[in-house]
Amino acid sequence: EIVMTQSPATLSVSPGERATLSCRASQSVSSKLAWYQQKPGQAPRLLISDASTRATGIPARFSGSGSGTELTLTISSLQSEDFAVYYCQQYENWPWTFGQGTKVEIK
Amino acid sequence: EVQLLESGGGLVQPGGSLRLSCAASGFTFTEYWMHWVRQVPGKGPVCVSRISGDGTRAHYAGFVQGRFTISRDNAKSTLYLQMNSLRAEDTAVYYCARRNSEGGNFDYWGQGILVTVFS
Repeated sequence: EIVMTQSPATLSVSPGERATLSCRASQSVSSKLAWYQQKPGQAPRLLISDASTRATGIPARFSGSGSGTELTLTISSLQSEDFAVYYCQQYENWPWTFGQGTKVEIK
Repeated sequence: EVQLLESGGGLVQPGGSLRLSCAASGFTFTEYWMHWVRQVPGKGPVCVSRISGDGTRAHYAGFVQGRFTISRDNAKSTLYLQMNSLRAEDTAVYYCARRNSEGGNFDYWGQGILVTVFS
């Protein structure tokens, strides 16, 4: 099973600032990686697929990069609605696995 | 509009059984792999099981192998998860999720249903 490790666990950012979230895989996932946003009491929401392709309706301030074992989600200018928990998920090998999440909180 | 609506959760004692259902609408159900994903509050989601659009292929995570069975009724556009021999560690919110037809990510999720296994 591929283990996904996200860092940091918590990221404190001021509105308007840039946030960079990391996801490391225990073995290569190529570009078979998705990013999700989750708010309290809600299901995860797909942001990015195939490491860098924004899902329908996702603002351009969200971008994904990387491949292999090191992948990154960048939020270029944080808006109030972006404060949430973010998860990466690999779909290179079954069982597909998620990271433990990065909480983006208001500084 | 794509909708996924789970039902069947609740409280059960260790060793007991529950069957979750997920009613799908707004898309051609048979064209998609469907998954069950669970999440303990405060933790990352975990894939439990998946089933092909025609129902002929099913896969499970190791921790539920032999205890859970995924199935689907395409005439009713409904996904199921039969959970037997439940353990305290199966306590979680269970989501049904649609796999994107072009990849391995989940493009639509249900609202989730809580399963609590307690003694």
